[in-house]
Amino acid sequence: KAGVTQTPRYLIKTRGQQVTLSCSPISGHRSVSWYQQTPGQGLQFLFEYFSETQRNKGNFPGRFSGRQFSNSRSEMNVSTLELGDSALYLCASSWTGQGMDTEAFFGQGTRLTVV
Amino acid sequence: DAKTTQPPSMDCAEGRAANLPCNHSTISGNEYVYWYRQIHSQGPQYIIHGLKNNETNEMASLIITEDRKSSTLILPHATLRDTAVYYCIVRVGGNEKLTFGTGTRLTIIP
Repeated sequence: KAGVTQTPRYLIKTRGQQVTLSCSPISGHRSVSWYQQTPGQGLQFLFEYFSETQRNKGNFPGRFSGRQFSNSRSEMNVSTLELGDSALYLCASSWTGQGMDTEAFFGQGTRLTVV
Repeated sequence: DAKTTQPPSMDCAEGRAANLPCNHSTISGNEYVYWYRQIHSQGPQYIIHGLKNNETNEMASLIITEDRKSSTLILPHATLRDTAVYYCIVRVGGNEKLTFGTGTRLTIIP
């Protein structure tokens, strides 16, 4: 079974630009979550999508947004990039069809550098 | 979600069992204990989880105290590839959000 796939793996953008990152979950998984990892703040939850609806949201500004498609693939968008947005962005997928104790599986991440 | 406390770093000799402690004294009845690890610059890897019973899989064992206020992750025969940051996370059942702390940096020594 293929794992969680994130594209691109590396990205360099200029301040003020916007960026879109993509995540393809494990087949059959319906929940996709996004995380930001920086040396200063560690791993922080951005948001979670389930059946094309945002179900949970972390404490990030509105410049960070996402969406999920009917095939469970997800994208996240960051507008008006700032230097502080440089980070490893991680996507995790899980299946919440049954049971309360699902396991989330992470992709390898997209390393975004803002210059 | 309940907070967790882990030692910032630990060393373990290769081939020995690595025992990683985690304190979660404010855990609620509907919260599970999850363990993940992250090898440098890779995505976190799921290891194991449990509610109140001890659990074992091919990677590790999870021992949860009877009062559920603490747990221990056991890697039975540590190898150099087990060098990573290990995160203990308490998560409400049905809530996909994972709240990561600073974790324990485990170094396996040859």
